[in-house]
Amino acid sequence: DIQMTQSPSSVSASVGDTVTITCRASQGIANWLAWYQRKPGKAPKVLIYSASSLQSEVPSRFSGSGFGTDFTLTISSLQPEDFATYYCQQANSLPWTFGQGTKVEIK
Amino acid sequence: EEQLVESGGGLVKPGESLRLSCEVSGITFTNVWMSWVRQAPGKGLEWVGRIKSKGDGGTTDYAAPVKGRFTISRDDSKNTMYLQMNSLKTEDTAVYHCTTEPGSYFGYWGLGTLLTVSS
Repeated sequence: DIQMTQSPSSVSASVGDTVTITCRASQGIANWLAWYQRKPGKAPKVLIYSASSLQSEVPSRFSGSGFGTDFTLTISSLQPEDFATYYCQQANSLPWTFGQGTKVEIK
Repeated sequence: EEQLVESGGGLVKPGESLRLSCEVSGITFTNVWMSWVRQAPGKGLEWVGRIKSKGDGGTTDYAAPVKGRFTISRDDSKNTMYLQMNSLKTEDTAVYHCTTEPGSYFGYWGLGTLLTVSS
């Protein structure tokens, strides 16, 4: 199975800050990576797929990059509604696996 | 509006069985690959398994921890996917979400249904 390692596990930030989350795959996955946002009591929401493609209706302050084993999710100008937990997921080979999550908290 | 609604969760004892359902609306269900993803208390997301559309063979794939115990099926006439869970273990305790799988990632998600396995 492909292991996905996210860092940091949590980050404190203020509204307006730029936050960067990284995700590393245990083997190369080309651009087969997705990012999700999870808020308490709500269904997870896909933000990015194919490493850098923005899902429809997701604000442009979210962006993704990377190829192979190293990927990043960047949230520019953090908004109050962005405080949540973020997960990466490899979509290269079954079983699909997720990173352990990064909690973005209010500073 | 696309909507996925899970049901059937509850409290069961180890070794017992339970079936979850996922009713889908606002999407052409017949053409959609579907997955189950779970989240145990205080843990991250874990893919459970998936079923392809009948047009793509209707085959299933499972994660190792549930293979042989869980079975995914679908009834396209009811726009519903099922997760039959047998020989349940305490480690199966989680919120179970159904999702669409448009292309090796998870598109639409339901809110989930809670399964608790405890003696």
